[in-house]
Amino acid sequence: DTEVTQTPKHLVMGMTNKKSLKCEQHMGHRAMYWYKQKAKKPPELMFVYSYEKLSINESVPSRFSPECPNSSLLNLHLHALQPEDSALYLCASSLSGTGDEAFFGQGTRLTVV
Amino acid sequence: AQSVSQHNHHVILSEAASLELGCNYSYGGTVNLFWYVQYPGQHLQLLLKYFSGDPLVKGIKGFEAEFIKSKFSFNLRKPSVQWSDTAEYFCAVNAAYQAGTALIFGKGTTLSVSS
Repeated sequence: DTEVTQTPKHLVMGMTNKKSLKCEQHMGHRAMYWYKQKAKKPPELMFVYSYEKLSINESVPSRFSPECPNSSLLNLHLHALQPEDSALYLCASSLSGTGDEAFFGQGTRLTVV
Repeated sequence: AQSVSQHNHHVILSEAASLELGCNYSYGGTVNLFWYVQYPGQHLQLLLKYFSGDPLVKGIKGFEAEFIKSKFSFNLRKPSVQWSDTAEYFCAVNAAYQAGTALIFGKGTTLSVSS
């Protein structure tokens, strides 16, 4: 199994809603990532978890809250988002997080209304 | 901090033409370099990677890249493109942070291949 699975595929939420994005991998990878991708732009790093501990936070606003319940799961909790937060949110994983390749999920297309 | 730059924003080719997409990285030490492709509506897929050793790297779907340390470059090539190669191509470097590493992407090149 070389897949990173993200749910939901699409999400529409109001600015006062609370929602969560989920990501799962069963490749035994110990590093997991959240990226944000706007249309026609490259993925931008948001968070990195290494061995279930938050290791990198790229100055992301607190309305985005990551969580890594175990080595296979990664969540992104969303609260009080703004319309400009509408984007494709990508989850990725890598074996060790020390320079190896990352495997990406198909993403969650988020629209904030 | 490490970064990558891609000079070609949009490349338009006819089928069977040769392809070369430029990528330059900024870090002067040891780097891991990658090319990813994003087909319309699909997830990012790894085309090829360079960690060390032979500077000419072969990847999937007939793509190859050459690591030239003196030029800080890692250009992607394909001798003959197909319509199915239409996609967004991203060069990436593994950037070191205080507590870990993560991929940092170039701005991407949109490749349009006409049949």
